[in-house]
Amino acid sequence: AQRVTQPEKLLSVFKGAPVELKCNYSYSGSPELFWYVQYSRQRLQLLLRHISRESIKGFTADLNKGETSFHLKKPFAQEEDSAMYYCAPADTGGFKTIFGAGTRLFVKA
Amino acid sequence: DGGITQSPKYLFRKEGQNVTLSCEQNLNHDAMYWYRQDPGQGLRLIYYSQIVNDFQKGDIAEGYSVSREKKESFPLTVTSAQKNPTAFYLCASRGGGSTGELFFGEGSRLTVL
Repeated sequence: AQRVTQPEKLLSVFKGAPVELKCNYSYSGSPELFWYVQYSRQRLQLLLRHISRESIKGFTADLNKGETSFHLKKPFAQEEDSAMYYCAPADTGGFKTIFGAGTRLFVKA
Repeated sequence: DGGITQSPKYLFRKEGQNVTLSCEQNLNHDAMYWYRQDPGQGLRLIYYSQIVNDFQKGDIAEGYSVSREKKESFPLTVTSAQKNPTAFYLCASRGGGSTGELFFGEGSRLTVL
């Protein structure tokens, strides 16, 4: 069965500290992997996608196919990073995207 | 102003009534989606449509129905058979190509009284 696990419901860190949001997935085939973010009073939006190998707002995500993990990392958290983060694998072609339960990141001053 | 528009934002319904949530997009996207968002459970896929006149069940389709008669529109009907309909509903669309990015609406909150 397809499944996404984000083990932390809430993650609280101080400004300037490193942050890692964990994601483990179980998905048939070779899924495409995404992280979405929802800031307060804003729409859910794409943060980054694995296929682009990009760094967005200082965030990167490492795919470990052996562990089927796609953890999101940032070396120095900022207060504006406070948001809800969702890990989201999709089938090849991206038509069926499923979401994890989400991790709320709170960055303290 | 391009994007996805969901209506209504808030909706109250009595038990036993069907209700239809609207989702319209002017992004010229082929694929459209409906998700249900509950606290602590993230987003769960209800239905999705890859092209006009075609749609597939997601993980929690029971008690819901959809139609896709136009590319721009993907309405969701919450039927009286849905046992726990009170939730926040999100509509999304996806364009062509291989990027796979979903674009979301602002959501509709349904409360069953």
